[in-house]
Amino acid sequence: GAVVSQHPSRVICKSGTSVKIECRSLDFQATTMFWYRQFPKQSLMLMATSNEGSKATYEQGVEKDKFLINHASLTLSTLTVTSAHPEDSSFYICSARILAGGWQETQYFGPGTRLLVL
Amino acid sequence: AQSVTQLDSHVSVSEGTPVLLRCNYSSSYSPSLFWYVQHPNKGLQLLLKYTSAATLVKGINGFEAEFKKSETSFHLTKPSAHMSDAAEYFCVVSDPYNQGGKLIFGQGTELSVKP
Repeated sequence: GAVVSQHPSRVICKSGTSVKIECRSLDFQATTMFWYRQFPKQSLMLMATSNEGSKATYEQGVEKDKFLINHASLTLSTLTVTSAHPEDSSFYICSARILAGGWQETQYFGPGTRLLVL
Repeated sequence: AQSVTQLDSHVSVSEGTPVLLRCNYSSSYSPSLFWYVQHPNKGLQLLLKYTSAATLVKGINGFEAEFKKSETSFHLTKPSAHMSDAAEYFCVVSDPYNQGGKLIFGQGTELSVKP
């Protein structure tokens, strides 16, 4: 159980185009999903918290107009990188949170999406 | 504020020998603590988690970790390393009463396993 998928796993696009990445919780419902960015040999950096049915909460320094997040259902969140540039090339990872026993929680991560902008 | 420090950026062991990956945390409340593993170009897999129950936590693949409040540590151990254990390991803290339960990641420890 607790499987999270991402699609696509790898995408190459031209500079100036937009790319959409999907994150799905396959066997559970997730009211909250998270989007992270990871540079080579570095840890994960939280970009935003995606809440079903409401606006995402972005971390400081993350442009909300550039990284559009939509969480339209309890099993799907999407991240759209608009007008992508080479500096947006990175490994993007989503996670979905399971709440258990009140405040106790665990995040389960997707396999990641490698974005390369040419 | 919460923080996590992984004391070693890289650990190298021989196959069959013990593994110790060190982690210290800082949290203003009783935290949840996690260890995740990441293989190259893959997402993160949960190894184990501590959420105020038993201080010795057993995880998957023979890993375990001990929560020591007095030392603010949550070191990850395994009695005998396997080649397939070579990966990046992240120690993570979450404080549900602070910052909405966001995960705070350590910088990661790369584990190499020599034949």
